[in-house]
Amino acid sequence: QVQLQQSGPGLVKPSQTLSLTCAISGDSVSSNSASWYWIRQSPSRGLEWLGRTNYRSKWFTDYAVSVRGRITINPDTSKNQVSLHLTSVTPEDTAVYYCARVEPMSRGVAAFDFWGQGTMVTVSA
Amino acid sequence: DIQMTQSPSSLSASVGDRVSITCRASQSVGIFLNWYRQKPGKAPELLIYGASSLQNGVPSRFTASGSGTEFTLTIISLQTEDFATYFCQQTYSTPPVTFGQGTRLDIK
Repeated sequence: QVQLQQSGPGLVKPSQTLSLTCAISGDSVSSNSASWYWIRQSPSRGLEWLGRTNYRSKWFTDYAVSVRGRITINPDTSKNQVSLHLTSVTPEDTAVYYCARVEPMSRGVAAFDFWGQGTMVTVSA
Repeated sequence: DIQMTQSPSSLSASVGDRVSITCRASQSVGIFLNWYRQKPGKAPELLIYGASSLQNGVPSRFTASGSGTEFTLTIISLQTEDFATYFCQQTYSTPPVTFGQGTRLDIK
């Protein structure tokens, strides 16, 4: 059974960097079929994709336009985890942040089949 | 980006009722449409993938259909744990992954 365990602070000051970690068990961050996503959820923006990373003979990473330039997603193969760093945060970055796995299902469709428990991050002085 | 629109935004029902939720895509997504249930304070959980395939372990009271731009999730005989928020999500054109705004299902 895959489990994703998130960790990181729940309060970040404006202009600082939000950093979260997602520890993976039951799968490998270097899986050739899975992709590892960060998603956030807020009342104003709903469920919002932030970025993803996956390994297909080499590492690939994509970021949402809304956070591009402020976001970094890093896989750590030694610890089997993936991290999120979001710089220059503002109160608009206040949200619940999730890591999640996308795996191809049958019929060639991919879906988010496992999620972390979520981390409520508040940006406030 | 493909926009996903759910209707209704909220509805009220009773235990044992049958309810349906609709999801419309701004362009065709084929069968690349998934449904999730999110209980309060929890992460979303996958119910349906590929527009109509039931995820392992999900009760058979959940059924879904559709293709192209219009999709429906139906819950036959609501149980207490089904009072939650439901999201559709397309994976036809990614990135970006896009979700519907959610449908909140409350107890009448």
